[in-house]
Amino acid sequence: NAGVMQNPRHLVRRRGQEARLRCSPMKGHSHVYWYRQLPEEGLKFMVYLQKENIIDESGMPKERFSAEFPKEGPSILRIQQVVRGDSAAYFCASLAGSTDTQYFGPGTRLTVL
Amino acid sequence: GENVEQHPSTLSVQEGDSAVIKCTYSDSASNYFPWYKQELGKRPQLIIDIRSNVGEKKDQRIAVTLNKTAKHFSLHITETQPEDSAVYFCAATSNSGYSTLTFGKGTMLLVSP
Repeated sequence: NAGVMQNPRHLVRRRGQEARLRCSPMKGHSHVYWYRQLPEEGLKFMVYLQKENIIDESGMPKERFSAEFPKEGPSILRIQQVVRGDSAAYFCASLAGSTDTQYFGPGTRLTVL
Repeated sequence: GENVEQHPSTLSVQEGDSAVIKCTYSDSASNYFPWYKQELGKRPQLIIDIRSNVGEKKDQRIAVTLNKTAKHFSLHITETQPEDSAVYFCAATSNSGYSTLTFGKGTMLLVSP
């Protein structure tokens, strides 16, 4: 019974590079949420996706950030031209759709040098 | 949008004591209130949740109470143990209808032996 999977667990990028974070939801879950956690802070909602659709991206920065959840494969959060302020832990969570319960992945810790 | 306030930010107790963490929310339409425990470097893990049609819920040493009129909910941990030491986050669903969670900033609980 695999839980929510994320990779990579740790990612180091230099300023200006691209970061790609992947999230595989729990089996049978078709809803994916991405959250960002800055050091010593709570989690902030970024984007909510269902298969092939972005449902709510109200928490996403307007530039450099994008997300997708294709029909096949994991959900991807993409950050272009990273800056030091992008350094954070990025968590995804999934839910089945029939409940409100979100299950979190282990997170990707992004460090921008 | 939804705003969730959480207090205290840190809480130190002796093993065996009780711990109480309180949260308030702003959106009267919110109807789902989970609590997550996050150990250092780990994923947030759901420990208990409550829906707006219930005033109290208990699971062994953990209980949650909800006061819809006052728009606040609390986490109660009895007979605390050192392994309860972690950061605890409360959350509430936003008014978007998409089960998006708005989190409090967290409470660092330290249980001393």
